[in-house]
Amino acid sequence: DQQVKQNSPSLSVQEGRISILNCDYTNSMFDYFLWYKKYPAEGPTFLISISSIKDKNEDGRFTVFLNKSAKHLSLHIVPSQPGDSAVYFCAMTQGAQKLVFGQGTRLTINP
Amino acid sequence: NAGVMQNPRHLVRRRGQEARLRCSPMKGHSHVYWYRQLPEEGLKFMVYLQKENIIDESGMPKERFSAEFPKEGPSILRIQQVVRGDSAAYFCASSPAIVTIAKNSPLHFGNGTRLTVT
Repeated sequence: DQQVKQNSPSLSVQEGRISILNCDYTNSMFDYFLWYKKYPAEGPTFLISISSIKDKNEDGRFTVFLNKSAKHLSLHIVPSQPGDSAVYFCAMTQGAQKLVFGQGTRLTINP
Repeated sequence: NAGVMQNPRHLVRRRGQEARLRCSPMKGHSHVYWYRQLPEEGLKFMVYLQKENIIDESGMPKERFSAEFPKEGPSILRIQQVVRGDSAAYFCASSPAIVTIAKNSPLHFGNGTRLTVT
């Protein structure tokens, strides 16, 4: 029973272009959505979040979009930089602090 | 201001042995969460504890796994009689009391313990 899916295991983007990472979910009760970034041999690091009452949140180069009717979450990174190469996880929660994670997308930024 | 500290970073155990994973939360944090990441998968919730109390253990396997967070000292995730399928990265996160994710207080994770069962 996979409530949160990241259908692209990997993504390759040219430096300077836009990276778009996607996430779909099935549980309409989720009310808070987050993106985490993970480098090898490190723990996930919080990147950006959005609550269910909004459809967009921006922080510098990172923008998260939420489409509740489609149950779809996306992360845009522009312009992409080599240091952005990492595994990106979407995560979501229903009220409490228990996070449900997607499987991750490995982003590679090519110089 | 130290972050979430986990040790050991790497742990190798033979089948049937016990594994003990430790997590010291960030200073001032009284809530601890354990997550497991199997190879090529996302993180899966295991258990949520506060000092001397298990709040939610709905993600813990029914047998061989236990967790505690004593009044003094780190939180311990204990796996008895390990099997090859227990090989994974185990991550701990912490948060202050009361504050929830919905109030812009995302979980902060440690760097994990990578358990290998041979």
